[in-house]
Amino acid sequence: GAVVSQHPSWVICKSGTSVKIECRSLDFQATTMFWYRQFPKQSLMLMATSNEGSKATYEQGVEKDKFLINHASLTLSTLTVTSAHPEDSSFYICSARRASSYNSPLHFGNGTRLTVT
Amino acid sequence: AQSVTQLGSHVSVSEGALVLLRCNYSSSVPPYLFWYVQYPNQGLQLLLKYTSAATLVKGINGFEAEFKKSETSFHLTKPSAHMSDAAEYFCAVSGETSGSRLTFGEGTQLTVNP
Repeated sequence: GAVVSQHPSWVICKSGTSVKIECRSLDFQATTMFWYRQFPKQSLMLMATSNEGSKATYEQGVEKDKFLINHASLTLSTLTVTSAHPEDSSFYICSARRASSYNSPLHFGNGTRLTVT
Repeated sequence: AQSVTQLGSHVSVSEGALVLLRCNYSSSVPPYLFWYVQYPNQGLQLLLKYTSAATLVKGINGFEAEFKKSETSFHLTKPSAHMSDAAEYFCAVSGETSGSRLTFGEGTQLTVNP
């Protein structure tokens, strides 16, 4: 069964509003979670690494003030898209590892389809 | 830096035919390689992984991949395609110098024709 739960699976919002996406590790603690963005017919692009109890690490070109990440517990990370615009419409996917080892596979949520009108 | 290149953004096979999805990697340190599958509007599911043990790795759903250092390749194969194999497939690499990050290839869309 799923080990990473992502909610909501889809959301439609108006320009200028904010949207929060939740990512939960269901049966393990994740000190680190990852947020990806995927455009249609394209690969996954890492947006940021979410670190429990500390600031997220953002990839180059990702606006940290626009994509707010909070990792307040060992099983929950949230991504808030602030003042959303149509160009923010995309598929957002979170992931986490059971263990801290870099050769341990990532478990992915089912993604959130965001549409900004 | 590490990277993977997937040759062929689209692959089409007949049901029952061999599936071959190509992946080449670039890494300055021993790589850890993964294949993931993505169905429409869903997250990614791990098919298999290579972590420096056996070079031939068997995964779920009848897929396997062989790590060939001399060719810097990690191609994904399945002897007989099934209609349910139609999906997007991603090759990914991580390694010691990249911390816990995964770098994905561009993806290959597999179509299975009846």
